Amino acid sequence: KNEVEQSPQNLTAQEGEFITINCSYSVGISALHWLQQHPGGGIVSLFMLSSGKKKHGRLIATINIQEKHSSLHITASHPRDSAVYICAVNLNSGAGSYQLTFGKGTKLSVIP
Amino acid sequence: DSGVTQTPKHLITATGQRVTLRCSPRSGDLSVYWYQQSLDQGLQFLIQYYNGEERAKGNILERFSAQQFPDLHSELNLSSLELGDSALYFCASSVAVSPYNEQFFGPGTRLTVL
Repeated sequence: KNEVEQSPQNLTAQEGEFITINCSYSVGISALHWLQQHPGGGIVSLFMLSSGKKKHGRLIATINIQEKHSSLHITASHPRDSAVYICAVNLNSGAGSYQLTFGKGTKLSVIP
Repeated sequence: DSGVTQTPKHLITATGQRVTLRCSPRSGDLSVYWYQQSLDQGLQFLIQYYNGEERAKGNILERFSAQQFPDLHSELNLSSLELGDSALYFCASSVAVSPYNEQFFGPGTRLTVL
C-alpha cells in the first residue's frame, strides 16, 4: 500500500464546476504539499499545509491531521485548471531530513 | 518561471552510457533536491543536498550519484544507463532544510535511453 493515496485518479469536469481532490496518508507527517503539473511537464507548488486551511484565488486546501486527510478544492473551474494535481508529504523521519513522498496524482480535465 | 534552471532539456542516449544532468537553484536557495518521474513509478525522491553536503538519500540507485558545488549548482550523474532509466528528472530548490519550506521545481530533463 502506498503511503500517500489520492482520489480520484482521473476527473473530468464541466467549466464552472466545483472540484475536490482527496489525499490520504498513512504515516505521521510534518507537512503536506499540493503540486500542479502542467501538460508540458512543469511542476508548480500550490500549497504547503501543516494544519488548517489555506486559500489562494480559486484554490482552497485543507488538512485534517487527526484523520490523515487533505483535500484540494477548485471553485469555478476553468479549462486552464486542466493539469495533474499531486499530493506530497514530508514524513516525520526524525532524522532531520525532509524528503517528499508523492501520491500518484489526479489528472483533471476541465471541458468548456 | 520558478528561477530554477536545468540543462539539458532533452537527452537521448544509448544503454550503457553515462550522462550528467545539471541544476542551478534559485538565487539564495541553499537546498537542492533531485526527483525522478517515470510512467510506472510516478515521482520519487532521489537525493538532497544542503550547502554542499548530502542531507538525505531516497530511492537512488548505486549507478547514480550527485554533488552540489560551492556555487550551489548541482549535478546528477547517471551511469551504465538502462532502458528503465528513461524518465523525467526534476531538480527543486528551497531556502533551507525544513518541511515547511516551499520547493521550487525546475522544468526537468527528459532522458530517453535507447
